[in-house]
Amino acid sequence: GENVEQHPSTLSVQEGDSAVIKCTYSDSASNYFPWYKQELGKRPQLIIDIRSNVGEKKDQRIAVTLNKTAKHFSLHITETQPEDSAVYFCAASRISGYALNFGKGTSLLVTP
Amino acid sequence: GAGVSQSPRYKVTKRGQDVALRCDPISGHVSLYWYRQALGQGPEFLTYFNYEAQQDKSGLPNDRFSAERPEGSISTLTIQRTEQRDSAMYRCASSLTGSDTEAFFGQGTRLTVV
Repeated sequence: GENVEQHPSTLSVQEGDSAVIKCTYSDSASNYFPWYKQELGKRPQLIIDIRSNVGEKKDQRIAVTLNKTAKHFSLHITETQPEDSAVYFCAASRISGYALNFGKGTSLLVTP
Repeated sequence: GAGVSQSPRYKVTKRGQDVALRCDPISGHVSLYWYRQALGQGPEFLTYFNYEAQQDKSGLPNDRFSAERPEGSISTLTIQRTEQRDSAMYRCASSLTGSDTEAFFGQGTRLTVV
């Protein structure tokens, strides 16, 4: 099955700096790559996703890039704010009929 | 309902007892997933349904774990003869048309086996 590796496991940045989280996947047939944010004690929520027909997607301060050849994708958060502090999970799956597999998560801390 | 609903929110059970965890997905969502999430870790895939059909159960740890979704809506995850190592947060998620669309998570059931 799909194996998703995520790095780093923890990340601390100063408010206003950028944060980058990287993931690799093993299944070359995977074509959907979502990112979830989970605040302490809450459920994971989707923040952005990308499909394999595009290489980059941006939504305000958040962007995701995908390199299908290398089988890796990254989350970029610019102008970080304390409320960005949370655990972020990447995931990968094929089209419908296959499971959505998650990375182990990155705990992001943004200090004022 | 407005979101994915799981019950109970908390369950404490004695080792050796059976437990049933319930998930009520968003109305109309085709796909339903069960995950187990350890503290500070990513959701670990357990099993997945499209409508009432169990598409993939490769993540179930052993034959004490089973799941069903008989009418393509509510799902039940059953753990028989619980063991302490089964203690975890069990999360359900649903998506509209499949694993390549947004998955909405429930608030989870915190299972503690004593």
